[in-house]
Amino acid sequence: RKEVEQDPGPFNVPEGATVAFNCTYSNSASQSFFWYRQDCRKEPKLLMSVYSSGNEDGRFTAQLNRASQYISLLIRDSKLSDSATYLCVVTRGGGNEKLTFGTGTRLTIIP
Amino acid sequence: NAGVTQTPKFQVLKTGQSMTLQCAQDMNHNSMYWYRQDPGMGLRLIYYSASEGTTDKGEVPNGYNVSRLNKREFSLRLESAAPSQTSVYFCASSELGGGAYNEQFFGPGTRLTVL
Repeated sequence: RKEVEQDPGPFNVPEGATVAFNCTYSNSASQSFFWYRQDCRKEPKLLMSVYSSGNEDGRFTAQLNRASQYISLLIRDSKLSDSATYLCVVTRGGGNEKLTFGTGTRLTIIP
Repeated sequence: NAGVTQTPKFQVLKTGQSMTLQCAQDMNHNSMYWYRQDPGMGLRLIYYSASEGTTDKGEVPNGYNVSRLNKREFSLRLESAAPSQTSVYFCASSELGGGAYNEQFFGPGTRLTVL
C-alpha cells in the first residue's frame, strides 16, 4: 500500500462548480499535512497546511480526519486558474519530519 | 530575491556520462532537499541536508551523490548516468527541518534525459 494515495483524476469541472478531493495516508504516526499545487511543467507550491480543526483560506477548505486517516480539499466557486495538479503531502511522523508526496490529482476547470 | 534557482533547466546525457545539478537559495534557509519526479509517482526524496555541513540519504539515493557547499548551495551529482535516471529533478529548501507547518520552497526543476 502506498504511504499516500490520491485519485489521479482527471477531474473536469465547470467553472463556478464546487469540487472536492480526498487523500488517504497509511502511517498513523504522521503529524503534519499539506496540500501543494503544481501547474503543468512547473514546481510544486504550498497551497495550504491542514490543521486538526480544519481550516479555510478563501475558496479553499481543508479537513483532516485522523480516525480514518484521510485529508480533503474543497474548492468552491472554481476558477479557470484553479486548473492544476493538487498534491497531498504528509510527514512521516515518529520524529521524522521529511515529506511524503502523493502522486497528485489533476483538475481541469472548463469554461 | 530569486528564491530557489537550479541549473541547468534541461540536459541530455548519454549512458555513463556524469554531470552535476546545481541549486542555490537566497532565503537563508537551513535545510535543502533534492527530489525526483516521475510520471505516476509522487516526488521522491533523493538526499537532503538538514543544515550546512550535513547530508543524509532519502528514499532513492542510489546512483547519486550530493555536496552542501555552503548554506546557500546544494549540488546533486550523477557519476555514471543511467536511463533509469531520466526524470525531472527538483531542489527545495525550508527554514527548519521541514514538515510541521514549515513550507518547502521549490526550484523550477531540471529535466534530464539519459539516452
